[in-house]
Amino acid sequence: GQSLEQPSEVTAVEGAIVQINCTYQTSGFYGLSWYQQHDGGAPTFLSYNALDGLEETGRFSSFLSRSDSYGYLLLQELQMKDSASYFCAVSSYGNTGKLIFGQGTTLQVKP
Amino acid sequence: DAGVTQSPTHLIKTRGQHVTLRCSPISGHKSVSWYQQVLGQGPQFIFQYYEKEERGRGNFPDRFSARQFPNYSSELNVNALLLGDSALYLCASSSRFQTGANTGELFFGEGSRLTVL
Repeated sequence: GQSLEQPSEVTAVEGAIVQINCTYQTSGFYGLSWYQQHDGGAPTFLSYNALDGLEETGRFSSFLSRSDSYGYLLLQELQMKDSASYFCAVSSYGNTGKLIFGQGTTLQVKP
Repeated sequence: DAGVTQSPTHLIKTRGQHVTLRCSPISGHKSVSWYQQVLGQGPQFIFQYYEKEERGRGNFPDRFSARQFPNYSSELNVNALLLGDSALYLCASSSRFQTGANTGELFFGEGSRLTVL
């Protein structure tokens, strides 16, 4: 089967750096995506890794190790507006565009 | 440009009733997917439609059905509603058939929040 594990909650202070880890088990792994969701609204795409290494997009970076079936999302210079739920999601070969999401990590940023 | 739009935004039904949820994808997007998100969990894949054909189905009972119209909008239908169907139903569109072959990026709407009493 397919499964993803990520911490349920993370707390950090404004201006700090936080890392949200994600481990996955899937057959035919293609890529790992990260999404942000505020208060049950629309999930918004943050980052995607198909190859090993680090992808940087502004304050957010995402890392993937295919051999370890592991990835993380790194958020720098945390702001209050970063308080949200963060989901990792995997896509696989031949599954017609389906994403399998993790349970989500709730990030609380404190002043 | 308009994003993915869904209607209705909120609705309340009773057990045994039927519901139809609607979705308009981003202009030019031919792929529409439906996800169910129960409170406190990640979205769970229900269907994908591409070019008006069903291309993928998740582990949901036959009470769930969907279709895509010539203008690429889509409907999700749920029959014989159960209390456990209470959830946020998300529609997502993309320009590619295989999300992973592109950037892993889906564009989600705000969802339809269904409460079954």
